Amino acid sequence: NAGVTQTPKFQVLKTGQSMTLQCAQDMNHNSMYWYRQDPGMGLRLIYYSASEGTTDKGEVPNGYNVSRLNKREFSLRLESAAPSQTSVYFCASSRDRLTDTQYFGPGTRLTVL
Amino acid sequence: AQSVSQHNHHVILSEAASLELGCNYSYGGTVNLFWYVQYPGQHLQLLLKYFSGDPLVKGIKGFEAEFIKSKFSFNLRKPSVQWSDTAEYFCAVNSAFSGNTPLVFGKGTRLSVIA
Repeated sequence: NAGVTQTPKFQVLKTGQSMTLQCAQDMNHNSMYWYRQDPGMGLRLIYYSASEGTTDKGEVPNGYNVSRLNKREFSLRLESAAPSQTSVYFCASSRDRLTDTQYFGPGTRLTVL
Repeated sequence: AQSVSQHNHHVILSEAASLELGCNYSYGGTVNLFWYVQYPGQHLQLLLKYFSGDPLVKGIKGFEAEFIKSKFSFNLRKPSVQWSDTAEYFCAVNSAFSGNTPLVFGKGTRLSVIA
């Protein structure tokens, strides 16, 4: 099992460009999450999907959109990137409830110039 | 809204020293509590969790945490740290009774263990 995979690992964008971060899990988990990690700010939840077909905003959703493409895949889209979105982005999944153990991907380091 | 406070931003310890990392939360109801760890260059992974029962919870690699309801705390402890414990540690909480709510993470504590 690969667990949770994320692509790309690194990305540099110019302000205003768009991109999609991809996440996939092979553990048959129902719930998936997108977090951003910034120095001194910890992990902040951007969006989550408690089950296939549902998505909900987290703590910092502005500037992002998500798609739960199917049970395995949960993508995060930046429509018009801003320097404030420079961060490390983590995808995670958990089996059922949001209190189940979360399994994290390796992260995507995004720089917006 | 729930919040989680980890008061120590960076802790530096010598090998074999004892460790205690503080975690306090602001929610008054019943909560579920977690500690996650991120070793350098690795994924975040669960260290331990508390849902109910014995307030002293044991996790992997010799870590334990004690839930003290009256103090709204869930401090992480280890009697004797090793160099390999160098990592960033995150406390997280969610409500046990407000439906299926996501976790709220603290800002993390970076632990550096020196020889």
